[in-house]
Order: sequence, then C-alpha cells, then structure tokens
Amino acid sequence: KAGVTQTPRYLIKTRGQQVTLSCSPISGHRSVSWYQQTPGQGLQFLFEYFSETQRNKGNFPGRFSGRQFSNSRSEMNVSTLELGDSALYLCASSSLAGSTDTQYFGPGTRLTVL
Amino acid sequence: DAKTTQPTSMDCAEGRAANLPCNHSTISGNEYVYWYRQIHSQGPQYIIHGLKNNETNEMASLIITEDRKSSTLILPHATLRDTAVYYCIVRGRDTGTASKLTFGTGTRLQVTL
Repeated sequence: KAGVTQTPRYLIKTRGQQVTLSCSPISGHRSVSWYQQTPGQGLQFLFEYFSETQRNKGNFPGRFSGRQFSNSRSEMNVSTLELGDSALYLCASSSLAGSTDTQYFGPGTRLTVL
Repeated sequence: DAKTTQPTSMDCAEGRAANLPCNHSTISGNEYVYWYRQIHSQGPQYIIHGLKNNETNEMASLIITEDRKSSTLILPHATLRDTAVYYCIVRGRDTGTASKLTFGTGTRLQVTL
C-alpha cells in the first residue's frame, strides 16, 4: 500500500498570505489528523477529521482550519500567515477515528513564512 | 492522557541493543503505550504499541512493567539508521481523544560506530 502523501513538500509564503496544504491518506483510511511541529513547541495536534467531520481539535487559533473530502483526502488552510506559523506540518491517517488504530504519518510539508 | 517522561538523550554502539526507558506513572487501565521515532525532519514512524503484555515485531520489543507505570523499548541490534528521536506516547481509547497523540520531547538516540 502507498503511504500517506502530502503536497507540497516545501512552501515559502509571506506574512499575511494564506496557504493550503493537502494530505492523501493511506487507501482505506478514513481518519486524518494534522500536527504542527516547531523547534520551540514540538509536535502539537491541530485537528482530526473522520468521514468529512471534524472530530477533535487542538488549541490553535481560528486561522487554522481544515476539511475532508468524501474520498478521505484532507486539506488544511492557514489564513493571514504569521512568522510563527513557520513549521513542519504533518498529517497522519488511520482506519478509524479513535480506538487503537495506529496513526501513520506522512513526510510533512515544510512551510516557511517570510 | 497520561504524561510520559523520557531521558533527553542516549548513546548506543552499533550492533548493541538500545534500551529506551519511558515513565508513565499516571497511566490508566485503558490507555495504551505507543512508540514512534522521527528521523531528522521526516514524519514520525510508528514502531510498536502495547497495553500490558510485552510485544515484539520486526522493528523492536516493548517491555511494560507489571504495574504499567513504565516501559522500555528495545532495539535489539542498533544500526546507524536507528539514530532518531524516539517518542513514548500514552494514548487513550475514547473516540474523542484517542486521535490526538500527545508528543513529549522524546529521547534523542545517537548510534555510533
């Protein structure tokens, strides 16, 4: 099976712009979670989608949003970018939401905000 | 989810076993212990997980103490490619929270020649 794919892998934006990142889960997986990784804060949970519905949300401002499509692919959007949004954004997929289904991570999208 | 405590860093000689400890003294009865690793700037890689019994797969072994307050990840024959940050995570089973993995600072394992 192909793994979790994320596009683009690298992105450079300027302050005030918005950005959309994409995640394609492993085939058959219905849950997609998003994480932000920065040197200062480490890996932090953003949100999780299952069957096109947001099931869980981390402690991030409303500038961070996401959605999931009927084919389980997910996008996350960050509006009005700030310098502090520079990070590695990771998505992870699993078969089901919750339970003990293992989350498998993609390679990440490295976002740089100038 | 219960908090975990791991050493900041460890060294291991190539070919030797790497034993990475994790303390999770507040773990509850329905919480699992998961281990992931992250090689520089890549996505975290799942290694193994367990509830109360010891587990083994092709990558590693997981030893959980009888009181479940601590665990040890064992890489039986470490190689240079095992150099990474290893995260021990306690994960609940409730649908509303199990999807949210809480990563700590992990253990930076350096495998040397």
